[in-house]
Amino acid sequence: QKEVEQDPGPLSVPEGAIVSLNCTYSNSAFQYFMWYRQYSRKGPELLMYTYSSGNKEDGRFTAQVDKSSKYISLFIRDSQPSDSATYLCAMSGNDMRFGAGTRLTVKP
Amino acid sequence: DAEITQSPRHKITETGRQVTLACHQTWNHNNMFWYRQDLGHGLRLIHYSYGVQDTNKGEVSDGYSVSRSNTEDLPLTLESAASSQTSVYFCASSERGQLSTEAFFGQGTRLTVV
Repeated sequence: QKEVEQDPGPLSVPEGAIVSLNCTYSNSAFQYFMWYRQYSRKGPELLMYTYSSGNKEDGRFTAQVDKSSKYISLFIRDSQPSDSATYLCAMSGNDMRFGAGTRLTVKP
Repeated sequence: DAEITQSPRHKITETGRQVTLACHQTWNHNNMFWYRQDLGHGLRLIHYSYGVQDTNKGEVSDGYSVSRSNTEDLPLTLESAASSQTSVYFCASSERGQLSTEAFFGQGTRLTVV
């Protein structure tokens, strides 16, 4: 079993839709939870990170962490074509582990 | 501006050859990482370093080695390249101690082993 599980998609939604991306994990040592966005042929870049259980909002993006269920989510409101990218969840304890990434396409 | 750069961006090599991928960061970060990215597997950790002279194996370290002689550089060496090592390789660095949060990634090196 992988330490971090993420549905690779692909996920295709119309512009303006609410997008939900999810990851589960098995290692209780993970303390920081992050979402990275990766455009085609580019390196990943940090979108959001959180330390505790609960919600964290940044503009159209909301990160949610449930440590008791070992489950994290990223919600994108009013999705835009520019949000089309691969989204990777990441978690860190002694090192950083990534999910497989979900490829998202937002169609105009 | 601080940055992290990888070279080369693209490389084709033959099976059995030794290959070294360069990673240079100007963030002055203690932590540096090497990942490989393959379809269906996401980013998998190869090796990482928490400071000069410190190196550690990640989850897919077989066939790879790193050395850390200064803060800025963490070169990744493939001792004897194999077709299974065809992949996109990313180097990253981060500031904090052993609990890594934000990692800054290079643009990646696309390696093809023929």
